[in-house]
Amino acid sequence: EAQVTQNPRYLITVTGKKLTVTCSQNMNHEYMSWYRQDPGLGLRQIYYSMNVEVTDKGDVPEGYKVSRKEKRNFPLILESPSPNQTSLYFCASSPQVGATEAFFGQGTRLTVV
Amino acid sequence: GQSLEQPSEVTAVEGAIVQINCTYQTSGFYGLSWYQQHDGGAPTFLSYNALDGLEETGRFSSFLSRSDSYGYLLLQELQMKDSASYFCAVPPGNTGKLIFGQGTTLQVKP
Repeated sequence: EAQVTQNPRYLITVTGKKLTVTCSQNMNHEYMSWYRQDPGLGLRQIYYSMNVEVTDKGDVPEGYKVSRKEKRNFPLILESPSPNQTSLYFCASSPQVGATEAFFGQGTRLTVV
Repeated sequence: GQSLEQPSEVTAVEGAIVQINCTYQTSGFYGLSWYQQHDGGAPTFLSYNALDGLEETGRFSSFLSRSDSYGYLLLQELQMKDSASYFCAVPPGNTGKLIFGQGTTLQVKP
């Protein structure tokens, strides 16, 4: 089944403790991205990647890192999480830049205390 | 800058027709997409308009007017399961970014 898989689905952590949210897609898509969703603010893009080893900042990149060593994986790294990073996170992939449809993972609800 | 505006909430009754509007301001326009998101779930793609006019997919239709920087999603024969949030979005194009509107919460009442 074609899908985007995120892990974990739920995570509660403490301020400053490094964490990684994994994202994997099995559709051989070139384009991958991360979003956070907050009430009243909609979906905001954190980082995106147009292909392996090519990443760039979205609209809200502060406090986040990403890597794209393999085409299928695009992990989101929070080196030192803070409470304002408490949010619902989505990973998405598209066949290529300019594709009309993005496929989203099921989301990761992160709480930083 | 780039921005999309849509109403925050819409309420309609089962069986009715509802229109969700989206106005956009972007530098470089490649088309307008629509996504549906049920509470706590993943956004799912509904439709895409690159050219002016109406695109129909079952009970859902999407319209685009590039000259007016405006589009809408039309939902017909509303069902309770259509209660969800609906987002318009500008696809990456050459910028590499995907910009979403803030979403419209549709509540369908019996």
